[in-house]
Order: sequence, then C-alpha cells, then structure tokens
Amino acid sequence: QSALTQPASVSGSPGQSITISCTGTSSDVGAYNHVSWYQQHPGKVPKLMIYDVSNRPSGVSDRFSGSKFDNTASLTISGLQAEDEADYYCSSYTNRDTWVFGGGTKLTVL
Amino acid sequence: QVQLVQSGAEVKEPGASVKVSCRASGYIFSDYYMHWVRQAPGQGLEWMGWINPNSGGKQYAQKFQGRVTMTRDTSISTAFMELSRLTYDDTAVYYCARVPRDVGTAMFDYWGQGTLVTVSS
Repeated sequence: QSALTQPASVSGSPGQSITISCTGTSSDVGAYNHVSWYQQHPGKVPKLMIYDVSNRPSGVSDRFSGSKFDNTASLTISGLQAEDEADYYCSSYTNRDTWVFGGGTKLTVL
Repeated sequence: QVQLVQSGAEVKEPGASVKVSCRASGYIFSDYYMHWVRQAPGQGLEWMGWINPNSGGKQYAQKFQGRVTMTRDTSISTAFMELSRLTYDDTAVYYCARVPRDVGTAMFDYWGQGTLVTVSS
C-alpha cells in the first residue's frame, strides 16, 4: 500500500486561506468517504481535525474544512493564524481493511 | 475522560524484540478498534495495523507482516504491540490510537502519548 500523496510544504500569510491536497487511488480515497486529517505540532501527538472527508470534531475551529473529488481529498484552512503552523497528515481507509497515511505537509505561516 | 496511556521508552539492540502497551480508560474498550502508528525521527506517520479488542481479530500492514504481533487483554483494557527482529530503521515513536467500531465512520480520535523505541548497539 503506497502512501497518499501530499505536497511537502505549503505557506500562507496570516488571514489568507490555503489548501492541502491528498491524492490516493480508487482503492482508498476514491472508494470511501473515510478520509481524515491530522495536525501535528513539533514533539506533539497528532490531533484529529477533520474526519469522514468533511466533518469537524467538537472543539476544532470552523476555519478548517475538508472536501473530496474523485481520488483527491483536500484540507482548507481559512483565516490563517500563527498557531496553524504545523505538519498536516491525511489518512484514508482502504479496500483491504487497512489504513494509509499521506507523507505529510509542512504548513508555514509567513 | 478518554485516555490512552502507553508504556515507557525502550532501548533495544538490533535483532531483539520490543513490546509496547497501551492502557485505555474512560470508555468501553471493546467499542473501539486499537491501531498502532509509528513515526521515525523527522518522518511522517506510518500505519502498522489494528486489533479488534472484542474478537481479537487483527489486520497488519503488509510491510510488517511476520514481524508484528498485536494482542489485547480485555481484563485490564490494554492493547499490546510487539515488533520482532528490530533494525535501526525501527527507531521511532510508536503510537496507539483508537478507531470506532462503527463502520459508518473512520477516524483516529484519541491517541496515546507515544513510546520512543530506540534501536542501538
């Protein structure tokens, strides 16, 4: 199972919006609405930000949103804030009853 | 409150095995699959496998087949992950994370604090 494809890095200025893509295949991202996104600050435990493509857990800012088209899922962060600077990972359930992560994207807030 | 508390850091020699535990509290242990995810220094997250605490059923990533064993002890709400024939590339932080058994949703909603396993001679 190959890792999902994410850009290595993205950046944006405070107040701007950015989008991180996550490309898989018809066996994972394209097959199920079970894509989730995680935020990880250095030295910290990953935190769930989006689940099942577009759902936000309680307590997660509505500046975070998710979507999917075909084999590509996306995470959008609007109104960028300094605290959003972190690594972001997507994950998907697969048709082999396994899970797979993306390689991760480093978000820099300029 | 939900908590996943993992065992402490380990240092192992190449070729040895390591067993990491993950004690769950604050929820019904059997209602959630337990997954294991690892992260090598400076690298991304890598999914290793899951165990169903209710049935003991499990599924491993192909990469770890034959080398990983996931078990659980429902009497103490604890999951275990044992990795054998360690190499330097197995140096990583190992996390446990739960996923609801509800097939309508799939997410790692709570994570353990991580266990650093260092392979060194």
